[in-house]
Amino acid sequence: QKEVEQDPGPLSVPEGAIVSLNCTYSNSAFQYFMWYRQYSRKGPELLMYTYSSGNKEDGRFTAQVDKSSKYISLFIRDSQPSDSATYLCAGGYSTLTFGKGTMLLVSP
Amino acid sequence: DTAVSQTPKYLVTQMGNDKSIKCEQNLGHDTMYWYKQDSKKFLKIMFSYNNKELIINETVPNRFSPKSPDKAHLNLHINSLELGDSAVYFCASSPPLGVNTGELFFGEGSRLTVL
Repeated sequence: QKEVEQDPGPLSVPEGAIVSLNCTYSNSAFQYFMWYRQYSRKGPELLMYTYSSGNKEDGRFTAQVDKSSKYISLFIRDSQPSDSATYLCAGGYSTLTFGKGTMLLVSP
Repeated sequence: DTAVSQTPKYLVTQMGNDKSIKCEQNLGHDTMYWYKQDSKKFLKIMFSYNNKELIINETVPNRFSPKSPDKAHLNLHINSLELGDSAVYFCASSPPLGVNTGELFFGEGSRLTVL
């Protein structure tokens, strides 16, 4: 079993939709969790950072971590075509372990 | 000013050749990494250096040899290239413990194609 599992998609939604991206992880030692966004032929860039369990909101983006169920979520409200990218979840306690990424396509 | 820069961005070479990828960061970070991203977008750590010292060496063939001349640079040399080495190699750095512990800053990637 991989340490971080993520559905690769693609996930296609119309502009304005609410998007829910999810990951599960197996390592109980993970303390911090991140979502990275990767545009085509670019490096991943940090989108959201969460330490331990809880929610974090930044504009249209909300990250949730439930350590009891080992579940990581990212919600995108009012999705835009510019949100089309691959979203990588990651967890760690000394180094980051990444999921495989979910490709999101937002159509105008 | 690019924070983490890698060269070259694209590399096409024949099996059996030796090639190097260079990485430099101007963020003042102590820790640098090499990650490999395969065709299925899976990003996997290869090496980690802290202040020029190797701290993580995942199960990587010894044809791959990282070198850190100083804490701002981490290069990757690959000997006897194989078809399976084709991937995008990302350099990254991370700040010391504190705000956003563990956050990685990635370069743009070096796309290696072995023919």
